[in-house]
Amino acid sequence: GQQLNQSPQSMFIQEGEDVSMNCTSSSIFNTWLWYKQDPGEGPVLLIALYKAGELTSNGRLTAQFGITRKDSFLNISASIPSDVGIYFCAGTNAGGTSYGKLTFGQGTILTVHP
Amino acid sequence: NAGVTQTPKFQVLKTGQSMTLQCAQDMNHNSMYWYRQDPGMGLRLIYYSASEGTTDKGEVPNGYNVSRLNKREFSLRLESAAPSQTSVYFCASRGTRDTQYFGPGTRLTVL
Repeated sequence: GQQLNQSPQSMFIQEGEDVSMNCTSSSIFNTWLWYKQDPGEGPVLLIALYKAGELTSNGRLTAQFGITRKDSFLNISASIPSDVGIYFCAGTNAGGTSYGKLTFGQGTILTVHP
Repeated sequence: NAGVTQTPKFQVLKTGQSMTLQCAQDMNHNSMYWYRQDPGMGLRLIYYSASEGTTDKGEVPNGYNVSRLNKREFSLRLESAAPSQTSVYFCASRGTRDTQYFGPGTRLTVL
């Protein structure tokens, strides 16, 4: 089946630094989603991307849908302590028999030191 | 509007015991999903229900059964729990344009 490779697996940064993470797929997706999971909680949707080359922002977060449709990127600018958590990418191919099933990356664990 | 709710929040079982995890959504979504989360492996799909009255297997269905009770509720049952089923279980429902909304999770330990 499809696999998503998310990197890096973990990051330790200082408050105020910028963060970049990415996801690559063995096959094409037509929808990319980025989620954040706080400790002890369920994942929360951050950004949704639907078109190759699309760049979308949500506050200090910016995500891009790769041109090849096999990758996606998430950047966090000027990190703050509450950015701590696990970030997941997820891909799907809308329509047909996909029934909205998502394939998830392994997650990037972000630690921010004050 | 509570979104997706799950019960219980925590559960400890002995090997061979059975239990049902409950999930409900109040967003009038058609599709619902059960995932398990294990360290370093992301979320893996166990079962899903594309609409009321239908269910289908996901990536890791062995040892589980599901019931789509009505449009709101989708339960996950472990008939004979095994230590390999120790995990965090998440229920989700599908909104517009393939976005999914998750519940708070059930943390299950099987001894």
